[in-house]
Amino acid sequence: QVQLVQSGAEVKKPGTSVRVSCKASGYTVSSNYIHWLRQAPGHGPEWMGIIHPSDGYTSDAQNFRGRLTMTRDTSTSTLYMELNSLKSEDTAVYYCARDSALGGAYGGLFDSWGQGTLVTVAS
Amino acid sequence: DTVMTQSPDSLAVSLGERATINCKSSRSLLYSSKNKNYLAWYQQKPGQPPKLLIYWASTRESGVPDRFSGSGSGTDFTLTISSLQAEDVAVYYCQQHYSTPYTFGQGTKLEIK
Repeated sequence: QVQLVQSGAEVKKPGTSVRVSCKASGYTVSSNYIHWLRQAPGHGPEWMGIIHPSDGYTSDAQNFRGRLTMTRDTSTSTLYMELNSLKSEDTAVYYCARDSALGGAYGGLFDSWGQGTLVTVAS
Repeated sequence: DTVMTQSPDSLAVSLGERATINCKSSRSLLYSSKNKNYLAWYQQKPGQPPKLLIYWASTRESGVPDRFSGSGSGTDFTLTISSLQAEDVAVYYCQQHYSTPYTFGQGTKLEIK
């Protein structure tokens, strides 16, 4: 079955960086794009960006441009999300999610999710 | 960015009764050439990630019970649970999958009356 397993919770100070990993298994990993989203307490999810596991193509939301880096390790089917210049407002649960690939290359439908990684930014 | 607004923010319904959640988009989600509305619904239970229920406004994801249905077109959409079960207690989100950045509503908390 499709599995996306994320790394554990992080506590970071303002101005530093965080890297979250997402290991994909149970399907042909090269067939589906992976999205990164985050969810602040009491809010709906917020889309951050997308990466193709094979060719490394990325696209990110304007809100994160310049602060977000998405990479992958094809040998281990692991995706990474790094967010720098952290602020207290970046405190959230961060998710990786698989694109369903319905109707084309990617369609912005998230059919499988990782368990989430809580990132807390506090001084 | 496309703004998604849900109503109500919270809802209490008796077991076995109908629950209706509304979602309004700031722009049309109808992709004319495909005649499809790019609107999805997710269910999120405490401590869990969201789960995809419905996409293209009215197509149920595999394994989703048929008491869940979606309707609407353009900018106005509805999620209906025909007969509420205890396991349906959750927060429900609408999401537009028409264009990036993909955006979600603020959520509707569904409880048992």
